Amino acid sequence: AQSVTQPDIHITVSEGASLELRCNYSYGATPYLFWYVQSPGQGLQLLLKYFSGDTLVQGIKGFEAEFKRSQSSFNLRKPSVHWSDAAEYFCAVGAWDNFNKFYFGSGTKLNVKP
Amino acid sequence: DVKVTQSSRYLVKRTGEKVFLECVQDMDHENMFWYRQDPGLGLRLIYFSYDVKMKEKGDIPEGYSVSREKKERFSLILESASTNQTSMYLCASLAGVQETQYFGPGTRLLVL
Repeated sequence: AQSVTQPDIHITVSEGASLELRCNYSYGATPYLFWYVQSPGQGLQLLLKYFSGDTLVQGIKGFEAEFKRSQSSFNLRKPSVHWSDAAEYFCAVGAWDNFNKFYFGSGTKLNVKP
Repeated sequence: DVKVTQSSRYLVKRTGEKVFLECVQDMDHENMFWYRQDPGLGLRLIYFSYDVKMKEKGDIPEGYSVSREKKERFSLILESASTNQTSMYLCASLAGVQETQYFGPGTRLLVL
């Protein structure tokens, strides 16, 4: 069965520090992977996506993610965090083998210390 | 830019009331989705629709129904609201295979 795991519920980093948010997926076919960000009280905004090709993908706001098939992972990174990055981050896998469905992780809430 | 709008940002309803949540997208997308979001549980799929008048159950359809009479509009109905349906409800639309899902701003529903 398809599933997405985000093992870190909360992460706190200092402003200017680097960030890595972990995501592991379970999916039998070729995964289509996404990272979304949600600011408080808002909907989800797409940060980046991976469909095929280069396993290091660049997104908006200076984020990048690396797809590692051998580890079933799609970790999100940013070299230097800004206070405005404080939000909740969701990893998702798209399953298009039957209907178009998405499976989301439980989210990682990022706090940024000044 | 794709725009997905939801009829209300906040709603307060009484137990037993019938509740309608509406979602409209402006990009002629085939697929539309309703999720509920609860702390620590991420997004859980309630229902989705892949065409007008077509619908499929998601992972947690109990207590909900949907309607899609027009391509741009997807409604979520709580037939008889209960307190355990207090949640954030997110609507999304999707053009097709290998496309990106776009989300509305969400409706925070409180059932008293």
